[in-house]
Amino acid sequence: EVQLVESGGGLVQPGGSLRLSCAASGFTFSSYAMSWVRQAPGKGVEWVSTIRGSGVSTYYADSVRGRFTISRDNSKNTLYLQMNSLRAEDTAVYYCAKGYSSGSSQYFDLWGRGTLVTVSS
Amino acid sequence: DIQMTQSPSSLSASVGDRVTITCRASQSISTYLNWYHQKPGKAPRLLIYAASSLQSGVPSRFSGSGSGTDFTFTIISLQPEDFATYYCQQSYSTPYTFGQGTKVEIK
Repeated sequence: EVQLVESGGGLVQPGGSLRLSCAASGFTFSSYAMSWVRQAPGKGVEWVSTIRGSGVSTYYADSVRGRFTISRDNSKNTLYLQMNSLRAEDTAVYYCAKGYSSGSSQYFDLWGRGTLVTVSS
Repeated sequence: DIQMTQSPSSLSASVGDRVTITCRASQSISTYLNWYHQKPGKAPRLLIYAASSLQSGVPSRFSGSGSGTDFTFTIISLQPEDFATYYCQQSYSTPYTFGQGTKVEIK
């Protein structure tokens, strides 16, 4: 079955760290860019970070650059997001999303169910 | 950063209605424009990519059009399962920005 399953969310104090994981199955993981997208409670959707299939190239939103690190282990079909120096405004459901890119199109065609990160004292 | 502005932010419609949502980019994005919908407690789901291409498995009552800075998303005949929040998203350049969303509610 083609799916993405996130894990690692939870309650963390401001300034703390957390590592999210996303286990992929049902497709050739190393062939696709992968992304993290988040949604604060009651708010819209916000792109966080993307990593290319090889893992060489990474991209970040300004709001997380320098604090979050995206990585992947293609041998384990797993995507990660290391989150440091967490702030209250990082509270959100974090979704893992598979990217598809071809010619003049790029899009997120598969999403996980999400994992909730709550930053609070 | 490219700003994406959707309108309206919400609308009320009845089953069978034609629904149109617009999305405007702050600069030209060619056809790097995607549409998703999201139901409460669920992840977004891709409906339209490259401005007008229907994602596999998505009903044909959904359609998209536009290029450059102005885009339109249409549901030809609204069905009960279509009540959700709809987002446009540009994939022209990072940061990959989303519109603020359009909540489609039952009239």
